[in-house]
Amino acid sequence: AQTVTQSQPEMSVQEAETVTLSCTYDTSENNYYLFWYKQPPSRQMILVIRQEAYKQQNATENRFSVNFQKAAKSFSLKISDSQLGDTAMYFCAFMKAYSGNTGKLIFGQGTTLQVKP
Amino acid sequence: DAEITQSPRHKITETGRQVTLACHQTWNHNNMFWYRQDLGHGLRLIHYSYGVQDTNKGEVSDGYSVSRSNTEDLPLTLESAASSQTSVYFCASSEGTSGRGGTQYFGPGTRLTVL
Repeated sequence: AQTVTQSQPEMSVQEAETVTLSCTYDTSENNYYLFWYKQPPSRQMILVIRQEAYKQQNATENRFSVNFQKAAKSFSLKISDSQLGDTAMYFCAFMKAYSGNTGKLIFGQGTTLQVKP
Repeated sequence: DAEITQSPRHKITETGRQVTLACHQTWNHNNMFWYRQDLGHGLRLIHYSYGVQDTNKGEVSDGYSVSRSNTEDLPLTLESAASSQTSVYFCASSEGTSGRGGTQYFGPGTRLTVL
């Protein structure tokens, strides 16, 4: 069975600085997807970034980037130039990839990020 | 714009009552999912469906049921609500694994309180 672990329950960062959130996962699969979702106080789950395991290049989306280390089963999220609106809970998630229908998401426990002015 | 909606957004009910939470998506996605979110557990999968008339149990399915009679809707029913089912419930949908597929898009959530 796959598991996802986020070892940092809470983190804080000063506005405009950079912060990295950690995520590790355990799987015997070779093909899979990894995601970071953001959940602000509004409770809405918002996709931040997605990584396909077969791609060696790390995914980036504006100020958000990942460090994907497949051999180490590590998938960290870096937020550059942190903004107050980045304050949220962040979830790392894993999904097996196979032909046909999509697989199920397995979530980590979440990391609460506080951006301080 | 395509979207996924949930209703009601907040619900208070009593132990033993039957409760149905609605989920409606206009993405025309085949795949739909129900999760519950509790402190210390992240999101856990309750049930999921890969198409009309298809339903499958997730990791925490006891006490819940779903039915899929059309592409757009996957209602979640609590047959006899229990206090342990007090939680925030999220519905999600996705297309198949092709191209940019596989990503799940979430509804706004329903906060359910069972007294």
